[in-house]
Amino acid sequence: KAGVTQTPRYLIKTRGQQVTLSCSPISGHRSVSWYQQTPGQGLQFLFEYFSETQRNKGNFPGRFSGRQFSNSRSEMNVSTLELGDSALYLCASSLEDSYGYTFGSGTRLTVV
Amino acid sequence: GQQLNQSPQSMFIQEGEDVSMNCTSSSIFNTWLWYKQDPGEGPVLLIALYKAGELTSNGRLTAQFGITRKDSFLNISASIPSDVGIYFCAGHSGGYQKVTFGTGTKLQVIP
Repeated sequence: KAGVTQTPRYLIKTRGQQVTLSCSPISGHRSVSWYQQTPGQGLQFLFEYFSETQRNKGNFPGRFSGRQFSNSRSEMNVSTLELGDSALYLCASSLEDSYGYTFGSGTRLTVV
Repeated sequence: GQQLNQSPQSMFIQEGEDVSMNCTSSSIFNTWLWYKQDPGEGPVLLIALYKAGELTSNGRLTAQFGITRKDSFLNISASIPSDVGIYFCAGHSGGYQKVTFGTGTKLQVIP
């Protein structure tokens, strides 16, 4: 069965712009989590969605937001981009009450 | 908040050697997970542990859930070049809590 699909794979944006990243989970997985990965900070939790509801949120500014659709697909949005937002953004899906995430390949965002 | 300290941060080993890495937490977890990340890809789940004291193997990999529930260990036996990558531990304390990841151990295998 298809894995977790993230689009786009690579993105270059300018400071001040906004960006939307997309994640399609494994079929049947209703939980989608987002992580930011940087060399210095490792994997930092952004938020988790389950059945279109945000269940958990990490310590990121309000510029970072997300949503989940009825088909479990999820998007995350970052507004007013800063240079420090350059990172690999990873999406992971899982079955309900299971934390053995399956990760996508990520979206590499570069802010210039 | 919860913090996971993973060690070592990096290691170089000869092909064929055994490898050990560990993860310690300031608080208790109900689930420990070990992931491997190859360059340019997302992490892949290697082993999941659900019970204190549990020892689980996956091929040449063996992981243990510490008795105190605040630590976990991963061992790789007879390393091969494709073991190269970053290994992450992760912990979950139950319910709707987030999964917390360690800082990673970068493994390099010298042929």
